[in-house]
Amino acid sequence: EAQVTQNPRYLITVTGKKLTVTCSQNMNHEYMSWYRQDPGLGLRQIYYSMNVEVTDKGDVPEGYKVSRKEKRNFPLILESPSPNQTSLYFCASSAAPGWDQPQHFGDGTRLSIL
Amino acid sequence: AQSVAQPEDQVNVAEGNPLTVKCTYSVSGNPYLFWYVQYPNRGLQFLLKYITGDNLVKGSYGFEAEFNKSQTSFHLKKPSALVSDSALYFCAVRDRRTSGTYKYIFGTGTRLKVLA
Repeated sequence: EAQVTQNPRYLITVTGKKLTVTCSQNMNHEYMSWYRQDPGLGLRQIYYSMNVEVTDKGDVPEGYKVSRKEKRNFPLILESPSPNQTSLYFCASSAAPGWDQPQHFGDGTRLSIL
Repeated sequence: AQSVAQPEDQVNVAEGNPLTVKCTYSVSGNPYLFWYVQYPNRGLQFLLKYITGDNLVKGSYGFEAEFNKSQTSFHLKKPSALVSDSALYFCAVRDRRTSGTYKYIFGTGTRLKVLA
């Protein structure tokens, strides 16, 4: 089954404790992206990756890191989480933006930073 | 700056009635527009897109959207609403950056409530 898998689905942690949210897709997609969803603000893009080793900042990259060492994986790293990063996070992938393909989304990761 | 606006936080419609969820955009160049739906505790699901061609685009679950270039709008429509259509709907636009990369801008979402 074609899917985008995020782990963990839920995480409660404390300020300053480094964490990684993993994202993996099995569709051989070039493009991958991370979003955060906050009430009243909709989805905002954090980082995206056009293909392996090519990443770029979205609209809200501060406090986050990403890496794209292989095509299927795109982890989101919070080196020193803070309470304002409490949010619902989504990973997404698509075949290629230039071909105008829609994004496939994971089911989300709800992070609570205390 | 590129932007997407969904002016209504919530839309209520009676089952069987037509529904419209509004979206307006501001982009330079030709717009690449998308609609997604989100059900509780799930990720977004693609409904339809407009890239070029016919201004009326048909998508999944009986939804369609009308692209209007002069009004810079891309409203989502359905002739007859179902209770199961109740969900959160997002409009999005693809933004091509000067670096040649692509990012996406989403609206704030519109909650559709279909009343039985």
